[in-house]
Amino acid sequence: DVKVTQSSRYLVKRTGEKVFLECVQDMDHENMFWYRQDPGLGLRLIYFSYDVKMKEKGDIPEGYSVSREKKERFSLILESASTNQTSMYLCASSYSGASTDTQYFGPGTRLTVL
Amino acid sequence: QKEVEQNSGPLSVPEGAIASLNCTYSDRGSQSFFWYRQYSGKSPELIMFIYSNGDKEDGRFTAQLNKASQYVSLLIRDSQPSDSATYLCAVRTGGFKTIFGAGTRLFVKA
Repeated sequence: DVKVTQSSRYLVKRTGEKVFLECVQDMDHENMFWYRQDPGLGLRLIYFSYDVKMKEKGDIPEGYSVSREKKERFSLILESASTNQTSMYLCASSYSGASTDTQYFGPGTRLTVL
Repeated sequence: QKEVEQNSGPLSVPEGAIASLNCTYSDRGSQSFFWYRQYSGKSPELIMFIYSNGDKEDGRFTAQLNKASQYVSLLIRDSQPSDSATYLCAVRTGGFKTIFGAGTRLFVKA
C-alpha cells in the first residue's frame, strides 16, 4: 500500500526559529513535492525534486529551502520562521512515468508560528 | 487570470442527485487532468484522471474533458452524504508542474 509519512501532524514554533519538516515515502517514487495549503488559495507548490540531490523552485520558494539526500526522504526547511508561514504543509510523491503523474499525499503538518 | 479556476462553492445538492463540479485552465499545452477529493482535516486523494477529450467513467464518477474549451468537469451520480468534501481540480501543464485549483466545497444533504 502506498504510504507517505510526515514527521509531525502539528507543530508550534516561534518567529525566527529554524524549522525542519520531513517527509518519507516508501514507494520508490522519483518525484517529491512540498506544498502549502491556505484557505481560498488552494495548494501552492513550494519546491519539488525529481531525483536525489535535485531540486526545483515552485511558485512560492521564498523563505524555504529543501534537501533530498536519499530517494525516499524530502525535507523542507524554514530558515527563519515567520508568522506568515503559518499554514498546512503537505508533502507528496509521484512516479516519473507515463502521463498519469498521480500524486500521493502525506497527512500534512499544521505549522503555527507565534 | 488564475491558471486553474474552480468555483469555491459551497455546492449543495440533495442526496441521490447529480453533483457537477467544474474547472477551467489557461495553459493550452496541458497534458493531464486530475480530480482529488479532500475531506476536512485530511490530505487530498485521487479520484480520477483523464487525458483524452470526452468522458471517462468510474463507478458513480464521470470526468469530462474538453480541450478546445479548456474545461474539465466531474459528475457525481447518486450523491451520498459521504461525498461531502472539497474537490480539487489539478492540471499537469506543458511543463513538469501540476497546478491545483483552490477547490470546490460540496455538501450533500441527507
